[in-house]
This record gives sequence, C-alpha cells and structure tokens, in this order.
Amino acid sequence: SQQGEEDPQALSIQEGENATMNCSYKTSINNLQWYRQNSGRGLVHLILIRSNEREKHSGRLRVTLDTSKKSSSLLITASRAADTASYFCATDYQGAQKLVFGQGTRLTINP
Amino acid sequence: NAGVTQTPKFQVLKTGQSMTLQCAQDMNHEYMSWYRQDPGMGLRLIHYSVGAGITDQGEVPNGYNVSRSTTEDFPLRLLSAAPSQTSVYFCASRPGVGTQYFGPGTRLLVL
Repeated sequence: SQQGEEDPQALSIQEGENATMNCSYKTSINNLQWYRQNSGRGLVHLILIRSNEREKHSGRLRVTLDTSKKSSSLLITASRAADTASYFCATDYQGAQKLVFGQGTRLTINP
Repeated sequence: NAGVTQTPKFQVLKTGQSMTLQCAQDMNHEYMSWYRQDPGMGLRLIHYSVGAGITDQGEVPNGYNVSRSTTEDFPLRLLSAAPSQTSVYFCASRPGVGTQYFGPGTRLLVL
C-alpha cells in the first residue's frame, strides 16, 4: 500500500497551546496536502505544499516538508476549541494520478 | 457553483441488493475519485478517473464498479451489497494535480 502514516493517532492539548502532527510517505511526490474533517463530515482542504517547497504558512498553520526523510509536519499555533477535528495528510505520488490519504490524527482542544 | 454533490445522503440496503451512488461536479475538473471511510479510519481509495472514458482501480475496488461518460458525473455502483460495505462514501474532484474538493458524503448501511 502507498498509504502514508500519521503520528500521533490522537492528540489532546489545552486551548492556546501548539499542536504538531506528522506524516510520513513512501515514494516520490508531486505535492503533499493537509485536510481537516469535522465529525465525519466532508474533508476541507487546508494547505498544499509542492515537492520543491520546504515550508508554507497559512494563518495559524505551518507546514514543513522534508523530501529526504519523506515526511511532513503540520503545526497549528495558538489552538482554539474550534480546531478540534481530525487532520489528514494526502500524498500526490508522481506518476500515480491519485491522492492517497493517511489514517489521520484526531485532535482535541480542551478549553 | 454547487461544487461536488452526492446523492443520496443516506441509504439502507439489504445484503445482495445493488445500487448506484451518484456524484456530480460543476467545476470542470478532470480528476474524480471515490473513497470510503470506516469508523475511526482514514479514507481508502476505491476507484478514480483522470478524464471522461478513463477509470482505474484504487486500494479497495472489489465489489464496486464505476464509469465516466461525462466530465461532470462519476457514479459508483455496488453490484451485490455486503455488510462489509457499510461505510461513508465520499466523492471528490480536482483539476489535475492540485487541491481536491469533497462532496458531503453518503452514509450506507447494509443489513
């Protein structure tokens, strides 16, 4: 399977703290994407980072990509209760024409 | 734009019945995909298409058929429903290599 792995599977932190989630993948990619899902609803795109990029920011989100280690991380700063959700990484493998999702990290922000 | 639409929202089937899950997008996207999500799990790719008349298998294609006669529509057919196909099904589309847009999902229960 080309499915990537996410770590940790679950994360619980206090409001205001930073949350970091990691994603590892297996072969060369065009890009890597992060998505959020609230309570079994549809997934919402957060950020896309291309294989030639190392870091990308969007508001309170920061994504890094290390192609030598085949890994990415998503950092959410100054977390809020509304950030409680599941977060998934998805890899767009070169030559595969399909987006493959990891198992996800379930993030809980405690007030 | 309506984005990606899916019908029905919820369906109950008996073992052995067949049905078609409908998916349509109005963004003129080349790529469309079907995923299933089981409780507490990530998304697993069933089938995908990179254009009208072109389809390919994903990670878990058995028991499902697809066709892509137009750019807009990508129906998923369950040939003979089994309890193991109880899941939430998500359709998605994207303009080639890039951000993927998801439909709201179809909850399927097979008794």
